[in-house]
Amino acid sequence: TQLLEQSPQFLSIQEGENLTVYCNSSSVFSSLQWYRQEPGEGPVLLVTVVTGGEVKKLKRLTFQFGDARKDSSLHITAAQPGDTGLYLCAGEHGGSNYKLTFGKGTLLTVNP
Amino acid sequence: DSGVTQTPKHLITATGQRVTLRCSPRSGDLSVYWYQQSLDQGLQFLIQYYNGEERAKGNILERFSAQQFPDLHSELNLSSLELGDSALYFCASSVDGDTIYFGEGSWLTVV
Repeated sequence: TQLLEQSPQFLSIQEGENLTVYCNSSSVFSSLQWYRQEPGEGPVLLVTVVTGGEVKKLKRLTFQFGDARKDSSLHITAAQPGDTGLYLCAGEHGGSNYKLTFGKGTLLTVNP
Repeated sequence: DSGVTQTPKHLITATGQRVTLRCSPRSGDLSVYWYQQSLDQGLQFLIQYYNGEERAKGNILERFSAQQFPDLHSELNLSSLELGDSALYFCASSVDGDTIYFGEGSWLTVV
């Protein structure tokens, strides 16, 4: 059972376009993280959202956590080729450990 | 560079064999995590160690085992390998439950 569904799976756009990718679940998470993974490398944390309804901005990236803490979105404005990569969301249920549940990711290609 | 070091980077082995993957966490990090990434399953949590003790277990097969040593490095042992075990295995570390940092992974191919 895939607890975190990400959509779309693949996205190919032109430089300068805007895009939104989604991360949905039927489970409530205490926090949700977004990572970017480039070929040959491990995932790198972009942001952590904790509060329902929270919006965080990281330059051209805007992250939102759903009010019920079950879903999240990542919006990129004026995408650039350097944004190309696999975007992963990961939910954490809290507790003494840090067991993350990952979605399968959205593979974004930004063409020059 | 995340500061997490994994060896080997690539490994090809035959079915039925046993391999050991090694991870050196970032300096000062007490927690080590192992994840498996495959095309069909995505990134799956296997196991977490904190300061030498097992803290959490995920979808880790009985053929797999891990340990964390007093110097905090960790090893993931994969035995009786099957074709389906071919995947990218990541180690990650954190101080304790805060930001986790992933290594570059060990790519295992079972033939």
